[in-house]
Amino acid sequence: EAGVAQSPRYKIIEKRQSVAFWCNPISGHATLYWYQQILGQGPKLLIQFQNNGVVDDSQLPKDRFSAERLKGVDSTLKIQPAKLEDSAVYLCASGQGAQETQYFGPGTRLLVL
Amino acid sequence: GENVEQHPSTLSVQEGDSAVIKCTYSDSASNYFPWYKQELGKRPQLIIDIRSNVGEKKDQRIAVTLNKTAKHFSLHITETQPEDSAVYFCAASPPHSNSGYALNFGKGTSLLVTP
Repeated sequence: EAGVAQSPRYKIIEKRQSVAFWCNPISGHATLYWYQQILGQGPKLLIQFQNNGVVDDSQLPKDRFSAERLKGVDSTLKIQPAKLEDSAVYLCASGQGAQETQYFGPGTRLLVL
Repeated sequence: GENVEQHPSTLSVQEGDSAVIKCTYSDSASNYFPWYKQELGKRPQLIIDIRSNVGEKKDQRIAVTLNKTAKHFSLHITETQPEDSAVYFCAASPPHSNSGYALNFGKGTSLLVTP
């Protein structure tokens, strides 16, 4: 079974620039999550999708972050404009739905200079 | 929202000894408690999870216990090996109806197993 795919794996940008991350979940997984993991901390949920609908985006900084999952499969997370404190690993995870294990992708490591 | 506290932040044990990591949570509605292992530069990998209808679960050298009354759960690793060295995260989540779990993670425990 193929795992969760993410790209790019690394990204370096300057502050105030824009950046986008892509995630392809495990086939058949209805639920998709984006987490932000700052160095030395646990992942923090940014947004949760069920198919192409948003379930929870309460911790997403909506003034600069946006995410979409238009066809209920792949998802993109965008930051515009980026700040220094956005430097982190952005993890995508997917699950089959209620009470099912979440599987994480390899993450995108973002450095904002 | 849910708040998960994890202790200790670092743990060093000798090979063959046991390691215990403890977590507490704040939301009594939480009913799913997974543990993830994350090696340096790698993705978090689920090692064991427990749901609120059981008090203990074991998988070979790894066990998790849950005390819902006290709102704490613990990870136990027996006969530790150097390859157990990693950062371990606990998490807790109340369910969103039928749409899966949004995990609230602890800050992690860096476990070092020395030969």
